[in-house]
Amino acid sequence: DVKVTQSSRYLVKRTGEKVFLECVQDMDHENMFWYRQDPGLGLRLIYFSYDVKMKEKGDIPEGYSVSREKKERFSLILESASTNQTSMYLCASSSVAGAGTQYFGPGTRLTVL
Amino acid sequence: RKEVEQDPGPFNVPEGATVAFNCTYSNSASQSFFWYRQDCRKEPKLLMSVYSSGNEDGRFTAQLNRASQYISLLIRDSKLSDSATYLCAVDTGTASKLTFGTGTRLQVTL
Repeated sequence: DVKVTQSSRYLVKRTGEKVFLECVQDMDHENMFWYRQDPGLGLRLIYFSYDVKMKEKGDIPEGYSVSREKKERFSLILESASTNQTSMYLCASSSVAGAGTQYFGPGTRLTVL
Repeated sequence: RKEVEQDPGPFNVPEGATVAFNCTYSNSASQSFFWYRQDCRKEPKLLMSVYSSGNEDGRFTAQLNRASQYISLLIRDSKLSDSATYLCAVDTGTASKLTFGTGTRLQVTL
């Protein structure tokens, strides 16, 4: 069974802190994605990666960076958290062959105080 | 114009009813279309792909209208368990990225 896991379900951080969100998939997928989901705005793509050490900016990359050192792991980094980064963060993965089928992790609800 | 647009709803329907949602997209080069389902406080999960000729999966029917650039999802004989938010997704034509709509909320009642 396909599985995408995220390091935390809930996270509370203070403004200015560096925040790491981790995502691991066990399906040997090439593609991995980070989204944030906010009411009324839907899913917005922050960054995606189509291979180890490869990354591309999505629609809203400002204030975020990513790291993909291993195929199964994709990390999202908030260099200096701000209150407007309070959101639900969802990681997803897909294979090149089945690119339309993205498998999502359970999400991390991040609150920045 | 947004790349992918959906009526946010909510659509409140009684059990057994038939309900349909539309989703419009702006990129005429898009080739792949999908419906995802998202339960409250859960992650989205693929419900079904949308094929050019239309496709059916049990009570669910998906259709594509390229000329008018929209996809639709029809749910027949609605169940309480169908209550969820339905997200449409369209490929961006770049790599494996999808653009998601903001979702249409469905509430099925007794």
